[in-house]
Amino acid sequence: GAGVSQSPRYKVAKRGQDVALRCDPISGHVSLFWYQQALGQGPEFLTYFQNEAQLDKSGLPSDRFFAERPEGSVSTLKIQRTQQEDSAVYLCASSQGTVSREQYFGPGTRLTVT
Amino acid sequence: QQQVKQSPQSLIVQKGGISIINCAYENTAFDYFPWYQQFPGKGPALLIAIRPDVSEKKEGRFTISFNKSAKQFSLHIMDSQPGDSATYFCAASNAGKSTFGDGTTLTVKP
Repeated sequence: GAGVSQSPRYKVAKRGQDVALRCDPISGHVSLFWYQQALGQGPEFLTYFQNEAQLDKSGLPSDRFFAERPEGSVSTLKIQRTQQEDSAVYLCASSQGTVSREQYFGPGTRLTVT
Repeated sequence: QQQVKQSPQSLIVQKGGISIINCAYENTAFDYFPWYQQFPGKGPALLIAIRPDVSEKKEGRFTISFNKSAKQFSLHIMDSQPGDSATYFCAASNAGKSTFGDGTTLTVKP
């Protein structure tokens, strides 16, 4: 595709439900990043993949958060037992190589936990 | 610990004026400093970026000034237009992992 796509664009979950957020990076992009953006703040790093390998997951806020990229393309961010503080926009970004710095962001998934 | 501090939080500029947004960082391991533009409901879009071995980079109306010794960098938007009204984020990157400032909401009045 032309850019990074994310689905769903909006998700409302009841507290305690599990959610799965999908990211389709730009075709051929090796690196994939997940960020969390709270209202009125800048994105905060969650985790980073190079192909299918998760190289950095230091930003995941708790063990309720899990990300995977099994075939080195599409990635899924899963949040178990959602809490109200998980409400945010979840952004996915991809970059072409292992050392390239330019990151291309998707439109994000807005998660609201009620 | 906020590693990248951005100011001002909001900025109002007249059409044709210069918009200036400043950022300061702490971690000297950062090796790439991008600026992003974000419109409501959209993801951040890369605007311009600089590496620490360069003091200035210009692309069209957008210029980054970088002061390595002071650990500061700034974005200058020349001839600001109403279409530039958006939220701007600075970031600092190391090994691909980016740390963002809290953003500046720019309003350009016609």
